[in-house]
This record gives sequence, C-alpha cells and structure tokens, in this order.
Amino acid sequence: RKEVEQDPGPFNVPEGATVAFNCTYSNSASQSFFWYRQDCRKEPKLLMSVYSSGNEDGRFTAQLNRASQYISLLIRDSKLSDSATYLCVVNTAGNAGKSTFGDGTTLTVKP
Amino acid sequence: SQTIHQWPATLVQPVGSPLSLECTVEGTSNPNLYWYRQAAGRGLQLLFYSVGIGQISSEVPQNLSASRPQDRQFILSSKKLLLSDSGFYLCAWRDRGNSPLHFGNGTRLTVT
Repeated sequence: RKEVEQDPGPFNVPEGATVAFNCTYSNSASQSFFWYRQDCRKEPKLLMSVYSSGNEDGRFTAQLNRASQYISLLIRDSKLSDSATYLCVVNTAGNAGKSTFGDGTTLTVKP
Repeated sequence: SQTIHQWPATLVQPVGSPLSLECTVEGTSNPNLYWYRQAAGRGLQLLFYSVGIGQISSEVPQNLSASRPQDRQFILSSKKLLLSDSGFYLCAWRDRGNSPLHFGNGTRLTVT
C-alpha cells in the first residue's frame, strides 16, 4: 500500500463546477500536510497548507481529518486556469522532515 | 526572499556518460535539501536528502549519488548513466520543522 494515495482521475469538469479531491495517508505520525499544483512539464508549486481546523484561500478549501487520516481539497467555481495535476503531500516528523507525495489527481476544466 | 536555482533545464546524455546536476539556494541558512525524480506520467520519488554539509541520506538504491559541499549547494551525480535514469529531476529546499518544500525549475534528463 502506498503511503499517500490519491484518486488519479482524470476529472473533467465544466467551468464553474465544484470539484473535490481526496487523499489518504497511512503514517499516523505524519505532522503536516499540503496541497501542491503541478502544471505539465513544470515543477510542483505549493497551493496551500492543510490545517486541522480546515482552511480556505479564495475558491480553495482544504480539510484534514486526522482520525481517518484523510485530506481533501475543494475547488469552487472552477476556472480554465485550474487545469493541472494536484498533489497531496504529507510530512513526517523529525529533523529531516521527509515529504511523501501522492501520485496526483489530474483536473481538466473545459469551457 | 529565498530562491532556488537548478541547472541545466534540459539535458540529453548518452548511456554510460557521467552526470552532474547542481542546485543552489539563496536567502536562507542551513536548509534541508532534497533531490526528487519524476518519471514520465508518474509521481515524485525522493532520491536523496541532506540536513547539513556533508550529510547525505539515500532513499533508494540506484546509479546516482549526491553531495553537499556547501551549506546551500546540492549536487546530483552519476559516473555512468543508464537508460532508466531518464526523468525530471527536481531539487527542493525547506526550513526545519513542518514547513513546505520549495522546488527548483527542474532538469529534464533524457538518456539515449
């Protein structure tokens, strides 16, 4: 079983739709959680951190459920520019603080 | 502000040739440094990480090695490339604690 699992998709949605991505992790000692966005042939870029209380950044909302070891990302009012691969990332504790990436969920927003 | 530089952007090398990819970070001290590889259509695989000068940890056995000769410099090397070394190589840094990773622009390596 992978340490971080995501539904690979692809998700194909029309502009203006709401779409949700899910991610599960297996290491209960994981300390911090993030969502990254990766455009085709580019480096991943930090989209947002994920906090236990849930957090929102404009059209994006992230949720964390430590008991279920589950992370989610909700995108409201999808734009064409949201088309990308979304990566769930989990940091382990310790000085090295290794980050484990999910394989990503691909989103295509269509006009 | 912190920046990370990685070069070259693309590289085509024959099988059996050596490799050296370099990454430098500016605007921070004593960062954790990481090398990841992403095969076409796949997820990111952690290759090496370093918590300080001369300290290298390897995640997977492979044909590659890493070195950290200076605090903000991280080098990925190979003596003889294999076809399977082709991929997108990403250098990243982060502060200690639970901070997120920040990536360089990546090097797309094709071994022919």
